[in-house]
Amino acid sequence: EIVLTQSPGTLSLSPGERATLSCRASQSVSINYLAWYQQKRGQAPRLLLYGASNRATGIPDKFSGSGSETDFTLTISRLEPEDFAVYYCQHYDNSRLTFGGGTKVETK
Amino acid sequence: EVQLVQSGAEVKKPGESLKISCKGSGYTFTNYWIAWVRQMPGKGLEWMGIIYPGDSDTRYSPSFQGQVTISADKPISTTFLQWSSLKASDTAIYYCARRGFYSSQRHFDYWGQGTLVTVSS
Repeated sequence: EIVLTQSPGTLSLSPGERATLSCRASQSVSINYLAWYQQKRGQAPRLLLYGASNRATGIPDKFSGSGSETDFTLTISRLEPEDFAVYYCQHYDNSRLTFGGGTKVETK
Repeated sequence: EVQLVQSGAEVKKPGESLKISCKGSGYTFTNYWIAWVRQMPGKGLEWMGIIYPGDSDTRYSPSFQGQVTISADKPISTTFLQWSSLKASDTAIYYCARRGFYSSQRHFDYWGQGTLVTVSS
């Protein structure tokens, strides 16, 4: 069973700063099966990236993803007030869906 | 417009049964897998299971196998999540989410608004 570990648990930054979020898999995974979601308080998750680096429909280019095998990164180039939220990575293979524990991006 | 609309909040007592729903519209319901995801208060996302409404092929997370039942009703484009005997620890928000169409698309592009289930004596 693949385990996804996200770090840090909380990231305290100011608007305009760059955010770098990590997702580490317990074993090598296909980049095709790695996605990122944003969840704001009181809302359902929203798909940001799929295939590790492809932005979903309507997602601005300040969001970018990279990585391979066991290490993946979500980068938000310049934080805006609406970007302060919780971010989850997700993997789905062999009929098993796994989420990371989440990284909360909060205002410093 | 693709939409997943979930049934409303529920308040139940331990031991009671419950069935919540997720209605899809704006797309061919039978062609997309639908997952159910739990979010306990203040916690992260947990996958419960997934169903293909076209033939009701269903897979469960080992953590939820035997604890819940996932089903689908094609004529009304609706999937269901049900419990036969609720526990206080089932208190959570439950989301349904649609998987991408192609087998290579292992992400979830549309989500329901969530159903809050509260189990308390």
